[in-house]
Amino acid sequence: GAVVSQHPSWVICKSGTSVKIECRSLDFQATTMFWYRQFPKQSLMLMATSNEGSKATYEQGVEKDKFLINHASLTLSTLTVTSAHPEDSSFYICSAWGGTTLAGWNTGELFFGEGSRLTVL
Amino acid sequence: DAKTTQPPSMDCAEGRAANLPCNHSTISGNEYVYWYRQIHSQGPQYIIHGLKNNETNEMASLIITEDRKSSTLILPHATLRDTAVYYCIDIQGAQKLVFGQGTRLTINP
Repeated sequence: GAVVSQHPSWVICKSGTSVKIECRSLDFQATTMFWYRQFPKQSLMLMATSNEGSKATYEQGVEKDKFLINHASLTLSTLTVTSAHPEDSSFYICSAWGGTTLAGWNTGELFFGEGSRLTVL
Repeated sequence: DAKTTQPPSMDCAEGRAANLPCNHSTISGNEYVYWYRQIHSQGPQYIIHGLKNNETNEMASLIITEDRKSSTLILPHATLRDTAVYYCIDIQGAQKLVFGQGTRLTINP
């Protein structure tokens, strides 16, 4: 089945540095990907919709200059947390709809990556 | 905001059927009902989805009421590995999923 892969699965960084998280659709093309953030014992919060070849659409309250999203190809979206601070420590998850695959398959299923745990010291 | 409501927690004995309810009173005619679950520190896992007919797959069954205002996810023989947070979501097309708080299901030995 379709797989969405994230890298890195966990990262520790110093306050003030920037961190990039990659989200790849491994066997299908994704024109749209979604980025979520999840704090401990809370639900997933949608941050933004990543659109291939155009600007991302951010949810209300999410700083677009803080969380840079780039969707340069049909299989890759990246989220860069700029000038990270301890309050940015969270579990970041991406997802993509299983649209037409390179082999022509479509299940109408939204697939999620394994998540990336960011800890800012 | 999420458009569905679920009980915050449920318990079920191992080996028994786990029935998880969901209310989606504002669902529109072309919105599907999707169910996902999230095991601790992992990304959500797709379980099943349906429009108006009941659906079954290798993981679960989905029962949707005739008026589509509520649904029930059934795990026929719950195991300890089914302990997770379960989310039901209404969605139309390839749009963004907005998660509610879900139901924390605990399977007890």
